[in-house]
Amino acid sequence: DAKTTQPPSMDCAEGRAANLPCNHSTISGNEYVYWYRQIHSQGPQYIIHGLKNNETNEMASLIITEDRKSSTLILPHATLRDTAVYYCIATSGGYQKVTFGTGTKLQVIP
Amino acid sequence: NAGVTQTPKFQVLKTGQSMTLQCAQDMNHNSMYWYRQDPGMGLRLIYYSASEGTTDKGEVPNGYNVSRLNKREFSLRLESAAPSQTSVYFCASSGEPGRSTDTQYFGPGTRLTVL
Repeated sequence: DAKTTQPPSMDCAEGRAANLPCNHSTISGNEYVYWYRQIHSQGPQYIIHGLKNNETNEMASLIITEDRKSSTLILPHATLRDTAVYYCIATSGGYQKVTFGTGTKLQVIP
Repeated sequence: NAGVTQTPKFQVLKTGQSMTLQCAQDMNHNSMYWYRQDPGMGLRLIYYSASEGTTDKGEVPNGYNVSRLNKREFSLRLESAAPSQTSVYFCASSGEPGRSTDTQYFGPGTRLTVL
């Protein structure tokens, strides 16, 4: 599975859009990009995933570049409850070779 | 539909004691995983089971054993606990039959302290 790189931390003002980048320059054609988040010390929670098209659900939007080497998770109107660690991973199936890393710690500021 | 459940939520052991962490999922997933997460660190895979009847080592298997009891249940055993095993343990499952994508679902975690 492709290695992903994320900034260690970001701040976002409450009510503004939070844009979290992820680099996955070695991603292969059959690997999906998945985003998870971990609030405080709870179990990680699935947010969204995509292959090459942009995706949107009730939680977030995922923008994948045309060359698929990077992506951006967008939380359109960040709230204090969105303060969490966000993980970007790439996998074609199964998680036995996935490295979650330390993700991006998003702090939403009042 | 409870998702992934783990017991116990908290546990304190003395060095050398043994214990088993239990995990169950009700989503008919094929694969199950055990991770540990140390303070300020990412998740590290201990063992996984790609399907019922199979288990394999992950990144940090030393000091642990696992059993895939059936499709629903995957247990993690510490035979002789050491302080270095103080951590938060997460169980996860993925692989809904018939789906082309593979979302992983996590349990709430077990917070283990070894004195």
